[in-house]
Amino acid sequence: KAGVTQTPRYLIKTRGQQVTLSCSPISGHRSVSWYQQTPGQGLQFLFEYFSETQRNKGNFPGRFSGRQFSNSRSEMNVSTLELGDSALYLCASSFYPGTANNSPLHFGNGTRLTVT
Amino acid sequence: GENVEQHPSTLSVQEGDSAVIKCTYSDSASNYFPWYKQELGKRPQLIIDIRSNVGEKKDQRIAVTLNKTAKHFSLHITETQPEDSAVYFCAASSWGKLQFGAGTQVVVTP
Repeated sequence: KAGVTQTPRYLIKTRGQQVTLSCSPISGHRSVSWYQQTPGQGLQFLFEYFSETQRNKGNFPGRFSGRQFSNSRSEMNVSTLELGDSALYLCASSFYPGTANNSPLHFGNGTRLTVT
Repeated sequence: GENVEQHPSTLSVQEGDSAVIKCTYSDSASNYFPWYKQELGKRPQLIIDIRSNVGEKKDQRIAVTLNKTAKHFSLHITETQPEDSAVYFCAASSWGKLQFGAGTQVVVTP
C-alpha cells in the first residue's frame, strides 16, 4: 500500500508570492491533516479535512487555506508569503477524523518551503 | 485549547541504558496520546500510542505510561541502540485535534 504522497518535495518562493502544496492520502483514508514543522515551534496543527469538509483549524492566519477533493486528495495554499512561512509542511492521513477509533496519523515526507 | 509540554529537549544516553521522555498536558478531556519518532530527514512515524482508559502499554523495548490525575505521560525506551537516535514527539488529542510537544532529540552513543 502506497504511503502518503506530498508534492513537491522542495519549493523556493519569494515574499509576496503564493504557493500550493499537494497531498495524496493512503488509499482508503478519508481524513487529511496538515502540520507546519519548524525548528523552534515543533509541529503546529494547521487544519484537518474529512469528506471535503474542514473539521478543525489551528491558530494560523487566513493566508493559510486548504481544501479536499472527492478522491480525498488535499491541497494547502499559502498566499502573500512571508519569510516566517519557511518550514517543512507535513500532511498526514487517517481512516477516521480526529484520531478517533484507533485511527492513527500516517505522515508524508513533507514539502520543504523556503521563502526568500 | 490543549497545551503539551515535553522534557527534556535533548537527551544523551549510552548504548544499552534506558531513556525516559516526559510530557504534560493541560486539557483533561484529552483521551489519546501517541508518540512519534522522526529520524533526520524523514517523516514522523508512530511508534506507540495509549488511550485514556489504559495506564500502561508496552511494545518490546518501548513502553508508555499515563497518569490521568496528574495529566502526564511518559515514554520509556530500554536497552537503547544507536538506531534509537532520533527526535521523539509526544502528542495529546483533545476534541479531535492533535497537539504535539516540542520534541526531544535523543542521541545514543556507542
